[in-house]
Amino acid sequence: EVVLTQSPGTLSLFPGERATLSCRASQSLDGTYLAWYQQKPGQAPRLLISGASRRATGIPDRFSCSGSGTDFSLSISRVEPEDFAVYYCQLRNFGQGTRLEIK
Amino acid sequence: EVQLVQSETEMKKPGESLRISCQASGYTFKNYWIGWVRQRPGKGLEWMGVIYPGDSDTRYSTSLQGQVTMSVDTSINTAYLQWHSLRASDSGMYYCARRFDSTYNWFDPWGQGTLVTVSS
Repeated sequence: EVVLTQSPGTLSLFPGERATLSCRASQSLDGTYLAWYQQKPGQAPRLLISGASRRATGIPDRFSCSGSGTDFSLSISRVEPEDFAVYYCQLRNFGQGTRLEIK
Repeated sequence: EVQLVQSETEMKKPGESLRISCQASGYTFKNYWIGWVRQRPGKGLEWMGVIYPGDSDTRYSTSLQGQVTMSVDTSINTAYLQWHSLRASDSGMYYCARRFDSTYNWFDPWGQGTLVTVSS
């Protein structure tokens, strides 16, 4: 079973900065099977990006993802105040999450 | 609009049984897998398993096999997650979500979650 490891555990940034969140797989995988979610406190997770690069409905284009093999990443070009949340990658199981917090 | 609405918060004692529900609307319920995801307090997301309402085909997480039962009632477009004997470690938030299809595992949309607290 593929294990996904996300890093860093916590990322502290100022609004307007670029965020790069990593998701590393324990074995090479087809990135089209990977998805990313955002979860804000007290809310259910929300699908951000699926199939390696397809943004879900309503997700702004400042969110993008890239990667291949075992290394994948979610980028936020310029972090907005509403982007501070926890982010998860998923193949079937989920990574442990990265918390994006305001610096 | 595709929507999943889950049952309300539950407070139970160890050893009790419980069934929580997830009612779907806005699409053909039988055609899409429904998944269940657990989130213990302050922790990450844990994939529990999926069920296909069309034929009740079910896939459980290896770690949860035998501890929970997933089922559906297609007459009312509802999926269920059931415990026969709760433990304190079952406490957490439980989400249902619609799986994209039989090939891709991503979930969209999600229910609002059902909080389960098991305490003596």
